[in-house]
Amino acid sequence: SQELEQSPQSLIVQEGKNLTINCTSSKTLYGLYWYKQKYGEGLIFLMMLQKGGEEKSHEKITAKLDEKKQQSSLHITASQPSHAGIYLCGAGYNSGNTPLVFGKGTRLSVIA
Amino acid sequence: GAGVSQTPSNKVTEKGKYVELRCDPISGHTALYWYRQSLGQGPEFLIYFQGTGAADDSGLPNDRFFAVRPEGSVSTLKIQRTERGDSAVYLCASSSQPFSTDTQYFGPGTRLTVL
Repeated sequence: SQELEQSPQSLIVQEGKNLTINCTSSKTLYGLYWYKQKYGEGLIFLMMLQKGGEEKSHEKITAKLDEKKQQSSLHITASQPSHAGIYLCGAGYNSGNTPLVFGKGTRLSVIA
Repeated sequence: GAGVSQTPSNKVTEKGKYVELRCDPISGHTALYWYRQSLGQGPEFLIYFQGTGAADDSGLPNDRFFAVRPEGSVSTLKIQRTERGDSAVYLCASSSQPFSTDTQYFGPGTRLTVL
């Protein structure tokens, strides 16, 4: 089984609606990263969470870390077509520079 | 540019051939990572450099894969005797701080197709 599970695998929402993507780790997290990827492009860094209960926002995207559940959620408010893409969570399991373990991603489509 | 760059953006080769993929990290970043992403999957770790040395190469799938970073900046991922299963997007990332968990910034990737 995967160390990092993302849900849902894909999501289609109407423009203007809110949505949430979840990322759950089977191991204790040291850091949790959210990236966005468009087809044929690299990963664009969104946010990094490290402390339990931490919450960060950037424009209409908010991410939270639940240390007890080893889970992070990414919430998009009033979705727009520009939010469409693949959202990936990446986990760091050690302090210091460490390779990230990624989930399989959530493919988000926003329809007008 | 200020970001991570990778060349070529696309590479098509025949089974059995040798390929080299290049990564130019953000200037001053000491850590450099290679990942491989197959269709519908998240990136999977291959190798990590701290400076010139490979700090962790546990993700390299077999001895056909090799990477170097001779001057602690540009890195080259080398694949010998390519196989169709090597087809994927190869991503490079760099980060600045060697002793703290720091954000990894990714390049656009090289899409490798082995015919």
